[in-house]
Amino acid sequence: DGGITQSPKYLFRKEGQNVTLSCEQNLNHDAMYWYRQDPGQGLRLIYYSQIVNDFQKGDIAEGYSVSREKKESFPLTVTSAQKNPTAFYLCASNGGRAGDTQYFGPGTRLTVL
Amino acid sequence: AQSVTQLGSHVSVSEGALVLLRCNYSSSVPPYLFWYVQYPNQGLQLLLKYTSAATLVKGINGFEAEFKKSETSFHLTKPSAHMSDAAEYFCAVSDQGYSTLTFGKGTMLLVSP
Repeated sequence: DGGITQSPKYLFRKEGQNVTLSCEQNLNHDAMYWYRQDPGQGLRLIYYSQIVNDFQKGDIAEGYSVSREKKESFPLTVTSAQKNPTAFYLCASNGGRAGDTQYFGPGTRLTVL
Repeated sequence: AQSVTQLGSHVSVSEGALVLLRCNYSSSVPPYLFWYVQYPNQGLQLLLKYTSAATLVKGINGFEAEFKKSETSFHLTKPSAHMSDAAEYFCAVSDQGYSTLTFGKGTMLLVSP
């Protein structure tokens, strides 16, 4: 089955620790996206990548980093510089053309203790 | 920058009643428009999208939306609500030439028996 996988589903970390969230897709999509979701805030774009080895900051990139070494993978690192990292993180992908539907993974809920 | 406004963070309907979820966008040029649904602790699923082919767009699960350029609106409707429609609904917009999405803050649909 084609789709997007995110792991783990739930993640707990101590304050001050970096943590990496995984996102893998087998849809052969060129573009991948990371969003943060907080209650009542909708989805906000963190980073996106339209091609391997290239990525752009979204609206709330501070305190996050990404890499895109393979077409299938777009991991997100939440660094200790992110002031309020507890949130639901969603990964998506599409063909990278205007109007293309974005397909979403199941999400990772990160809780920082 | 593009913005999306969803009127009403919560909408309550009775089973069998009409569902109307409102979405207004800010672009002066007709953009691409999307409605997504999210069930608790899951990713987003596409309901329907507008790409200028037709102003009335039919989606999955009996939902439809009408693009009205004069009102910069893309409201989502369903003639008869079902208990399984209870979820959070997001309107999103993508400008011509861009594959990124800007999301509204979401509307939680509550369906009572």
